[in-house]
Amino acid sequence: EAGVAQSPRYKIIEKRQSVAFWCNPISGHATLYWYQQILGQGPKLLIQFQNNGVVDDSQLPKDRFSAERLKGVDSTLKIQPAKLEDSAVYLCASSLMVMKQETQYFGPGTRLLVL
Amino acid sequence: AQTVTQSQPEMSVQEAETVTLSCTYDTSESDYYLFWYKQPPSRQMILVIRQEAYKQQNATENRFSVNFQKAAKSFSLKISDSQLGDAAMYFCALYSGAGSYQLTFGKGTKLSVIP
Repeated sequence: EAGVAQSPRYKIIEKRQSVAFWCNPISGHATLYWYQQILGQGPKLLIQFQNNGVVDDSQLPKDRFSAERLKGVDSTLKIQPAKLEDSAVYLCASSLMVMKQETQYFGPGTRLLVL
Repeated sequence: AQTVTQSQPEMSVQEAETVTLSCTYDTSESDYYLFWYKQPPSRQMILVIRQEAYKQQNATENRFSVNFQKAAKSFSLKISDSQLGDAAMYFCALYSGAGSYQLTFGKGTKLSVIP
């Protein structure tokens, strides 16, 4: 079974530029998550989808971050414009359903450096 | 709000010895799940072990076991017969809350294994 795929693996941009990350979850997983992991910290949830609907985006900085999950499969996370403090690893995860007992499976992450 | 605290930023263990990583948490929910995730330098987060709060028996997975103290809100991870491949960041995580069931992570413990 293929795992969660993410691209690109690394991205370097200048502040005020825009950037987009892509995630393909495990086949059949209805729930998809985007996390931001700043160096030295644990991942922080940005947004959670159930199929193509948003379940929780309370911690997403909506003035600059946006995410979509068209057709309930792949997802993209966009930052526009980027700030220095957006430098982090962006992790995508998926689970079968949005339930407490469901294990989340993580992708390898996209490491973003904003100069 | 739910919180997860890992008080040991770094730990080290001799190969073949046993090490215990500490985690405390706080939640107002009565039904929740606890996880330990491992994040090797490749950055892909891997589930190590999980514990359902309603279960009194401590979870075990091969060389990994937990000491779950519900009243004390403590959830430590014991690694027996440590191997070089166990070197990684270890994150304690809590899955709780109504609605979105957000996974909250601690800041992590960096484990080094000394040959």
